[in-house]
Amino acid sequence: AQSVTQLGSHVSVSEGALVLLRCNYSSSVPPYLFWYVQYPNQGLQLLLKYTTGATLVKGINGFEAEFKKSETSFHLTKPSAHMSDAAEYFCAARASGGYNKLIFGAGTRLAVHP
Amino acid sequence: DAEITQSPRHKITETGRQVTLACHQTWNHNNMFWYRQDLGHGLRLIHYSYGVQDTNKGEVSDGYSVSRSNTEDLPLTLESAASSQTSVYFCASRGAGDTGELFFGEGSRLTVL
Repeated sequence: AQSVTQLGSHVSVSEGALVLLRCNYSSSVPPYLFWYVQYPNQGLQLLLKYTTGATLVKGINGFEAEFKKSETSFHLTKPSAHMSDAAEYFCAARASGGYNKLIFGAGTRLAVHP
Repeated sequence: DAEITQSPRHKITETGRQVTLACHQTWNHNNMFWYRQDLGHGLRLIHYSYGVQDTNKGEVSDGYSVSRSNTEDLPLTLESAASSQTSVYFCASRGAGDTGELFFGEGSRLTVL
């Protein structure tokens, strides 16, 4: 069965520092991969997604993620954290095929301090 | 603009009562989903639908039901609310196309006393 693992339920960085949120998936075939962000008291919104093609994917708000098939990873990065990046981030995966469901990781809460 | 709305946003109820959470989307998406979000568990799929009259159980469907009588709505019903169902519930929809992402509502926070 497909699963998604996010390493670290809480990550804390200083403003201006590199953000690295880790995500690994287990799948017999390369899935479609997504990162969502959730701000307090809001629903989830898509940051970026990988489907096919270029393995480095750029998203909104300066975030990017790289699909590494050999490592079954899809880590999210941002070169310089901003206070407004404080939120919860979810990695998700879905096997190809329109009837396959999206599987979420447990989430990583990012704190950004001055 | 197209959107997905949930109601109520907050609900307090008592154990044993029936509760219905509404979800309405204006994208004309065939695919709709209900998730619950709990600390340490991320989002877990409760029920989903791929079109009118189609409903399917997700990984945590016990105690919940859905119905799909039209494209726009997928109400979630708790037949007899239990304290274990205290959670935040999210509705989402996805359009056609294999790579489409989910669009989420803002959530419904349910407290069962």
